[in-house]
Amino acid sequence: QVQLVESGGGVVQPGRSLRLSCATSGFTFSSYVMHWVRQAPGKGLEWVAVVSYEGINKYYADSVKGRFTISRDSSKDTLYLQMNSLRPEDTAIYYCARGGYHLQTHIVYWGQGTLVTVSS
Amino acid sequence: QLVLTQSPSASASLGASVTLTCTLSSGHSDYAIAWHQQQPEKGPRYVMKLNSDGSQRRGDGIPDRFSGSSSGAERYLTISSLQSEDEAAYYCQTWGTGIWVFGGGTKLTVL
Repeated sequence: QVQLVESGGGVVQPGRSLRLSCATSGFTFSSYVMHWVRQAPGKGLEWVAVVSYEGINKYYADSVKGRFTISRDSSKDTLYLQMNSLRPEDTAIYYCARGGYHLQTHIVYWGQGTLVTVSS
Repeated sequence: QLVLTQSPSASASLGASVTLTCTLSSGHSDYAIAWHQQQPEKGPRYVMKLNSDGSQRRGDGIPDRFSGSSSGAERYLTISSLQSEDEAAYYCQTWGTGIWVFGGGTKLTVL
């Protein structure tokens, strides 16, 4: 079955960097669009970034554009999120999610999330 | 601007039915959406994709107690024979060119 397992979360000071990973299994990773979605404490879901199946097309929410970078490594079936210049408002649970074959479609599978806390 | 609007809360009794609503912003009434469920302290789970014509596809393991329908810019999720495990937040999601959007979520309480 499809499994998405996030890691790399933790407590980090404002202005520092963190890299999240999402290890996947149960499907052909290189064939599917992948997303990062976050959820601040007590709040709703906020889409963060998406990467196409081949890793060429990437889109970001305005709130993270220029600071976060999504990438994927098909040799390791792993998705990444490099987060730079972190702010307190980036504090959230970060979920890895799988879409379909094409960019313009919905999320179909979710991971369990990893918590990122930005605090001095 | 692509926006999804949901009521913050809803409630219904055990065994009854409830319908949740997601409204697409003006000019986007032909967009498909997806519904996602998030039980307390858990990650989200995909429930179904719902097209503007009402056609729908449920996710793996989602019972047929969950059904969707569409009318204009409104997208609905109806849950029948409510069970305690249906108590959760429900989010609608849509997408456009280079943008993916979630509604604010509806917290469903099963009485």
